Amino acid sequence: DIQMTQSPSTLSASVGDRVTITCRASQSISSWLAWYQQKPGKAPKLLIYKASSLESGVPSRFSGSGSGTEFTLTISSLQPDDFATYYCQQYNSYSVDVRFGQGTKVEIK
Amino acid sequence: QVQLQESGPGLVKPSETLSLTCTVSGYSISSGYYWGWIRQPPGKGLEWIGSIYHSGSTYYNPSLKSRVTISVDTSKNQFSLKLSSVTAADTAVYYCARATAVAGPFDYWGQGTLVTVSS
Repeated sequence: DIQMTQSPSTLSASVGDRVTITCRASQSISSWLAWYQQKPGKAPKLLIYKASSLESGVPSRFSGSGSGTEFTLTISSLQPDDFATYYCQQYNSYSVDVRFGQGTKVEIK
Repeated sequence: QVQLQESGPGLVKPSETLSLTCTVSGYSISSGYYWGWIRQPPGKGLEWIGSIYHSGSTYYNPSLKSRVTISVDTSKNQFSLKLSSVTAADTAVYYCARATAVAGPFDYWGQGTLVTVSS
């Protein structure tokens, strides 16, 4: 089974900060990685797919990078609407192995 | 605009079967894509339960496979989840979602429904 590990678990930042969240896979997943944003009481929202492709309608301050086992989600300039919990998800369709990271909460500093 | 809406009982007794339905609007299930169920225990992370293709092919999380059945009714544009022999550990918000491939990513989500397992 592929395990997904996010770091940090919690991140305190200020509006305007550059924020980076890391997701590591226990084995190579090529670029089969997505990032989601979830606000309290709401469903997750897809931000990034295939490691670095921006979902339609998502602000360009969000970007993703990486391949293999290490991936990052970067918010170039944190906005008030961005305080939320972020999850990575590996989607290996060949083995139908769907795993989410444990989440990273971005809170106001 | 694609919309998904979960429906079903909010309270299920231990050992019974949890049943939920997801109604899709703005897109015909029979046109393609995969349709999945994901759950989130209160205060915890996301867990994929399983997915189904419009043809009826199903894919389940191995840890839940023995208790899960997902089915599709294209005539009603709905898909459903049944989880048997539930315990308190199955208490969670259950989401239905659309996926571009069998394992994701999930691009459209329902609002979620809280199911509590309690006597």
